[in-house]
Amino acid sequence: EPEVTQTPSHQVTQMGQEVILRCVPISNHLYFYWYRQILGQKVEFLVSFYNNEISEKSEIFDDQFSVERPDGSNFTLKIRSTKLEDSAMYFCASSEVADGYTFGSGTRLTVV
Amino acid sequence: AQSVTQLGSHVSVSEGALVLLRCNYSSSVPPYLFWYVQYPNQGLQLLLKYTSAATLVKGINGFEAEFKKSETSFHLTKPSAHMSDAAEYFCAVSPTTSGTYKYIFGTGTRLKVLA
Repeated sequence: EPEVTQTPSHQVTQMGQEVILRCVPISNHLYFYWYRQILGQKVEFLVSFYNNEISEKSEIFDDQFSVERPDGSNFTLKIRSTKLEDSAMYFCASSEVADGYTFGSGTRLTVV
Repeated sequence: AQSVTQLGSHVSVSEGALVLLRCNYSSSVPPYLFWYVQYPNQGLQLLLKYTSAATLVKGINGFEAEFKKSETSFHLTKPSAHMSDAAEYFCAVSPTTSGTYKYIFGTGTRLKVLA
């Protein structure tokens, strides 16, 4: 069964550093998403991406965040200057249409 | 605005007993509804989904959920709990007209299965 692949599975970074989280969505999917889950809390929408542009973003997704699809297969989330409160599990997902995403297994980001 | 409420952040059942995890939604347009399961230190796995076809939806691992529009509910059930069902369960709603298909998740219910 096709999978969404996320790398790395765990990343530790120092506060103020830039971090890039990588995702390879399912190849025929058109919609791409990033969600995050702070430890013990609910999963929160960050951003959706379609047709090479952001289609919707949440209030969490401020100027420190950016997304990119640099080639035909990768989808990245960049955090420019990490803060302690950015520590969370970040999930990438992709879908063809509305009726169900496939999520990746997540990247656990720890900011120290 | 869409929202999801999951009643009970923690639910404990005995092995072999009925599992009932509650989810109520609020949506101004017909929604799509989903249940996901998350095992410790793992990602989100789709259990089942409602996308305006049959109101009783069967999913993986013996789970099912019934969409009740009059009650704005989409409760998850399983007739007989197994130890392997211990996990966190998330209900999510996606409005069918948003164009972006973003999900709104509930706060999750942690299911504990007692031997």
